[in-house]
Amino acid sequence: DAGITQSPRHKVTETGTPVTLRCHQTENHRYMYWYRQDPGHGLRLIHYSYGVKDTDKGEVSDGYSVSRSKTEDFLLTLESATSSQTSVYFCAISESIGGGKASYNSPLHFGNGTRLTVT
Amino acid sequence: QKEVEQNSGPLSVPEGAIASLNCTYSDRGSQSFFWYRQYSGKSPELIMSIYSNGDKEDGRFTAQLNKASQYVSLLIRDSQPSDSATYLCAVKDTGNQFYFGTGTSLTVIP
Repeated sequence: DAGITQSPRHKVTETGTPVTLRCHQTENHRYMYWYRQDPGHGLRLIHYSYGVKDTDKGEVSDGYSVSRSKTEDFLLTLESATSSQTSVYFCAISESIGGGKASYNSPLHFGNGTRLTVT
Repeated sequence: QKEVEQNSGPLSVPEGAIASLNCTYSDRGSQSFFWYRQYSGKSPELIMSIYSNGDKEDGRFTAQLNKASQYVSLLIRDSQPSDSATYLCAVKDTGNQFYFGTGTSLTVIP
């Protein structure tokens, strides 16, 4: 899995509790992403990071926050979990290849996923 | 909203046949295109990437890109039962975001 570790792999939590998911990479890639995958919706981007302390929102960012204090770690936090956040969460990494106008992103490589259930 | 559309299937083909998977995208500025395979309960794994118009072949897999029609496809020749999975089309925009289709479920019948 291209040196990507997600933890925990499974978690069950109650509505209203905070939850933090961790993504750790050993590839020293610049870009890190959090996606959620739900039946009928495919993979949807929550947040991504383009460097230490540099993050941006994706299409489904409401109710989620992220932090990246080190290149290798990207944390996803649900401040107050809701049942609608029950999902499978995937972390992915990518690197910038080349330089200047000719640069492009390498393909995403995914971690093994975290199955989160909010009861 | 940038969209990536795929037929959800399911698509069934007999073993040894050619499976054809299609994808269209809405963002004309998209630069990079990818096909991923995802087995049930597993994470997506990269099969092919394609960046310029035309065909790209890798073993039994051929990706085809037509930027004018905003269309990308994946052909799987000599389909095997182990190819049974969900295939995800992904598109990267001019920034750093990757968008995914909902996937096409493929079943190869022995």
